[in-house]
Amino acid sequence: GAVVSQHPSWVICKSGTSVKIECRSLDFQATTMFWYRQFPKQSLMLMATSNEGSKATYEQGVEKDKFLINHASLTLSTLTVTSAHPEDSSFYICSAGGMGGQETQYFGPGTRLLVL
Amino acid sequence: SQQGEEDPQALSIQEGENATMNCSYKTSINNLQWYRQNSGRGLVHLILIRSNEREKHSGRLRVTLDTSKKSSSLLITASRAADTASYFCATHPNQAGTALIFGKGTTLSVSS
Repeated sequence: GAVVSQHPSWVICKSGTSVKIECRSLDFQATTMFWYRQFPKQSLMLMATSNEGSKATYEQGVEKDKFLINHASLTLSTLTVTSAHPEDSSFYICSAGGMGGQETQYFGPGTRLLVL
Repeated sequence: SQQGEEDPQALSIQEGENATMNCSYKTSINNLQWYRQNSGRGLVHLILIRSNEREKHSGRLRVTLDTSKKSSSLLITASRAADTASYFCATHPNQAGTALIFGKGTTLSVSS
């Protein structure tokens, strides 16, 4: 099956620094990628939809200047958490829509971010 | 919020018993999917049921879908301790290029 990877799998950073998370589709091209955030003991909340070659679409309440998304190629989307604060500590998960149709999405293993 | 509701929020059973989780949603859908997530880990896709399907089986899993009531259920038969996890339903709206919308999840604990 299709594989989506995320890097890093976990990161600890100091407050005020920026963190970049990569999401790669390893064996298929993804025109659309999605970024979710999951706080402890909660469900996944969609942050933004990333389309290759165009600007991301952010969900209401998600600051686009704080969570920078770049989808420069059909296999790579990046999420940069700028000036991270402790409240940004969360589990970030990406998913990629495959060539097999929009009903099929493949999830990455997630990146755990801890901001001190 | 477009998130669906799941109930129960938490379920504790003994090994060998069946576990039933329910999910309700709000919008029209193309399909509904169930995922499992072990604590601190990523999502594992369990099963997908399309809007024109009413029931689907996969091993010990049985999923039903009632689009008139906008609800779905996941039944795990003969549960095992390894089934302990959080279970989420996710709906795919009837619109191309849109993300999955996740329910709030049910935390299942199976004791041996």
